[in-house]
Amino acid sequence: LAKTTQPISMDSYEGQEVNITCSHNNIATNDYITWYQQFPSQGPRFIIQGYKTKVTNEVASLFIPADRKSSTLSLPRVSLSDTAVYYCLVGAGTASKLTFGTGTRLQVTL
Amino acid sequence: NAGVTQTPKFRVLKTGQSMTLLCAQDMNHEYMYWYRQDPGMGLRLIHYSVGEGTTAKGEVPDGYNVSRLKKQNFLLGLESAAPSQTSVYFCASSDKTGATYEQYFGPGTRLTVT
Repeated sequence: LAKTTQPISMDSYEGQEVNITCSHNNIATNDYITWYQQFPSQGPRFIIQGYKTKVTNEVASLFIPADRKSSTLSLPRVSLSDTAVYYCLVGAGTASKLTFGTGTRLQVTL
Repeated sequence: NAGVTQTPKFRVLKTGQSMTLLCAQDMNHEYMYWYRQDPGMGLRLIHYSVGEGTTAKGEVPDGYNVSRLKKQNFLLGLESAAPSQTSVYFCASSDKTGATYEQYFGPGTRLTVT
């Protein structure tokens, strides 16, 4: 299983771009990188998934360098409602192999 | 389309009591999962199922049993509750999408064992 390392917490002001980096040095060839968001008292919610280079959707962008040993979740112009815990998962095949670490707690303030 | 629902939302048990948590999904997903989340921690997989009639152990299965008699339902049982099982329990479901499976989570069940 690919172990992931994320910052424990981050702070941002509303309207700023936030970049959360995840390290996964022992990522395997067929592993994908997936990010989830969890609000207090709710279950996690899928944000974005990628394999290499850049993926963008209506919520976020995911940047993956060529060596794939890290990835960066980018949230453009965050708002107070983006305050949540963000989890980086690395794996492939069956979802039972995916491990949720402790995540990054993002606090957005005015 | 309710997605993933969990029953009950809250429960308080005394040590040694038993209970069953119900998870239901209406997305016709093959895979279902039970996680527990302790304060300040990530989610840990308890048991999972890759289809009706199948179950398998996850990372922390001890003290729990599961059943998947119907495709849409996944039950988590505690035969003899212990204070260490105080946690928030999340159910999730997924269908195969690419190399990893996007999971849809329920709202959680907050269980306290005294």
